[in-house]
Amino acid sequence: EAGVTQSPTHLIKTRGQQATLRCSPISGHTSVYWYQQALGLGLQFLLWYDEGEERNRGNFPPRFSGRQFPNYSSELNVNALELEDSALYLCASSPGQGWTDTQYFGPGTRLTVL
Amino acid sequence: DQQVKQNSPSLSVQEGRISILNCDYTNSMFDYFLWYKKYPAEGPTFLISISSIKDKNEDGRFTVFLNKSAKHLSLHIVPSQPGDSAVYFCAASGDGSSNTGKLIFGQGTTLQVKP
Repeated sequence: EAGVTQSPTHLIKTRGQQATLRCSPISGHTSVYWYQQALGLGLQFLLWYDEGEERNRGNFPPRFSGRQFPNYSSELNVNALELEDSALYLCASSPGQGWTDTQYFGPGTRLTVL
Repeated sequence: DQQVKQNSPSLSVQEGRISILNCDYTNSMFDYFLWYKKYPAEGPTFLISISSIKDKNEDGRFTVFLNKSAKHLSLHIVPSQPGDSAVYFCAASGDGSSNTGKLIFGQGTTLQVKP
């Protein structure tokens, strides 16, 4: 069974540009989560989507946004990129909204903002 | 305000011995706890979890213990193998009444298992 996949693996942008990151969940999973791991910091929760709806959002500015498509894949958009947005962005998926549903992570997208 | 803390940045053990990784939390409303392992340039891999209604969960070489009164959990790996060398993260979720979907992670502990 294929795991969570993310694309691209690496992304290089300049300050002020927009970045789009993509995630395909494990087959049968309806929930998708996004996390940021900046250098020297732990994994920080960004967003949670389930059944096409945003269910929860972390403490990030509105220029971080995303969506979930009917096939449950998701994309994360970061507008007006700043240098401190450079980080590893991880996507995870889970079977549903259950409180004990385990989140399974993809390999991540390394975003570098110059 | 770091709600989940792993106070030991690193741990080194001999192959075959027990590895004990510790994690403390401050929010008594957390109701689900997980441990993940992470290799460089890869995403975290789920290891084992425990709900707040239990105090122990075992899966092969991995056992997680939860002490709710002390707000402390630990991961025991027995016996430790060189392939276990990685960064280990504990994570917590829940607010006591609903699923927030949000995992709160500790800073990680780097485990090195020496042959």
